[in-house]
Amino acid sequence: GDSVTQMEGPVTLSEEAFLTINCTYTATGYPSLFWYVQYPGEGLQLLLKATKADDKGSNKGFEATYRKETTSFHLEKGSVQVSDSAVYFCARRLRGSTLGRLYFGRGTQLTVWP
Amino acid sequence: EAQVTQNPRYLITVTGKKLTVTCSQNMNHEYMSWYRQDPGLGLRQIYYSMNVEVTDKGDVPEGYKVSRKEKRNFPLILESPSPNQTSLYFCASSAKVEQPQHFGDGTRLSIL
Repeated sequence: GDSVTQMEGPVTLSEEAFLTINCTYTATGYPSLFWYVQYPGEGLQLLLKATKADDKGSNKGFEATYRKETTSFHLEKGSVQVSDSAVYFCARRLRGSTLGRLYFGRGTQLTVWP
Repeated sequence: EAQVTQNPRYLITVTGKKLTVTCSQNMNHEYMSWYRQDPGLGLRQIYYSMNVEVTDKGDVPEGYKVSRKEKRNFPLILESPSPNQTSLYFCASSAKVEQPQHFGDGTRLSIL
C-alpha cells in the first residue's frame, strides 16, 4: 500500500557535520511531499515542502528535492547546529479523493553535539 | 496570536470513562485533523475534517469520534477509552486542505 519510509534513527552528529535523512515513498499518482520537525515538548512544524517532481524545498539551511525517478525526498543540511536537535518526519499527501489524508513516516531523532 | 489550542494537555483516567479532548483554532481554517503519536510508529491520522459538518476517517479511527459543528472547534471523543489508546495526541489545522498544517502542543493521555 501507500507509505512513507524514513531511515531508522537515532542519528548523532557533531556540530557542523553534514546531515542526510533518507525518505522514500510508495504511492500511485503524484503526491505532495513534506518535512516536519518536532522540537522537544512541542507540536510539529512544517520545515519544507515540494509539490511536484524536481521541486526543491528549502528552509533554515535544510533542503530536499522531490525525485520522482527514485521516489525519494531526502533531507540534507550542510552544517548542523546543536539547535537542530529534534525529531524529523517525512510526510506525503495524495491528490484527488484522498486529499485530506496525510501520511507520516516514523520519524528520525537527530542529536547534535557541540 | 494564531494558534491551535488543545485541552487538556495531560490526562490520566480509567478504562471506560468517556472523555473529550478539545481543539480550537483562531485562524478561520477550513481543514482540521487529529493524529496520535506512538513510539516507533510516527504520527497516524485518526480523523480529519475538510469543513464544517464534513468529517472523514483517517488510518486509525476505531474507538474515536469527532464532530465539526463550527469552524473553529474539532473535539476528539473517546466514548469508552481503553489502555491501547494511551498516546500523545495532536490536533492540526490549515486554511485549505492542501496547505501546510499548524499543530497544537499535544495532549498526553494515559488510560489505566
